[in-house]
Amino acid sequence: EPEVTQTPSHQVTQMGQEVILRCVPISNHLYFYWYRQILGQKVEFLVSFYNNEISEKSEIFDDQFSVERPDGSNFTLKIRSTKLEDSAMYFCASSESGGITYEQYFGPGTRLTVT
Amino acid sequence: GENVEQHPSTLSVQEGDSAVIKCTYSDSASNYFPWYKQELGKRPQLIIDIRSNVGEKKDQRIAVTLNKTAKHFSLHITETQPEDSAVYFCASEGGSARQLTFGSGTQLTVLP
Repeated sequence: EPEVTQTPSHQVTQMGQEVILRCVPISNHLYFYWYRQILGQKVEFLVSFYNNEISEKSEIFDDQFSVERPDGSNFTLKIRSTKLEDSAMYFCASSESGGITYEQYFGPGTRLTVT
Repeated sequence: GENVEQHPSTLSVQEGDSAVIKCTYSDSASNYFPWYKQELGKRPQLIIDIRSNVGEKKDQRIAVTLNKTAKHFSLHITETQPEDSAVYFCASEGGSARQLTFGSGTQLTVLP
């Protein structure tokens, strides 16, 4: 069964550094999402991406964040200047477009630790 | 924006008993309600979902009910087993990009 994959599984970075988190969505999916989960808390929506552009973003997704689909398979989240409070698990998800299918499939996550 | 409330935050049951987790949502335009199971350090896994055109859906020991008028939906797990122990999140889908808004989670512990 196809799965969403993410790399790296764990990223440690110093405050102020840039990080890029990578995701490979399921190949026939057209909607892509980033969510984050601070330890012990609920999953929070960050941004959605469709047809090569951002379709929705939350208040969390400020100017320090950006997303990109650099080629036909990868989907990346960049944090320009990391803060301590960016430490969290970041999940990528994807879903099919249209039809009657709405399920979002989550990747295994990248644990980001900012020191 | 959408707000999803989930109760209880923790739930302990004896093996074989039933467990019920309840959620309410605020956006009447929401029309898709998935439930995810998350084991420690793992990704959320979709276990069941329901769309607004049905009131109940069942899959073996798991069932979900939806009351659109009252804007609440519930997860029912029967004959619980220790491997059901995990955090369960409800969610509702809304917005133009169909993003998910999650509840705060329920830590279910099934005692052997």
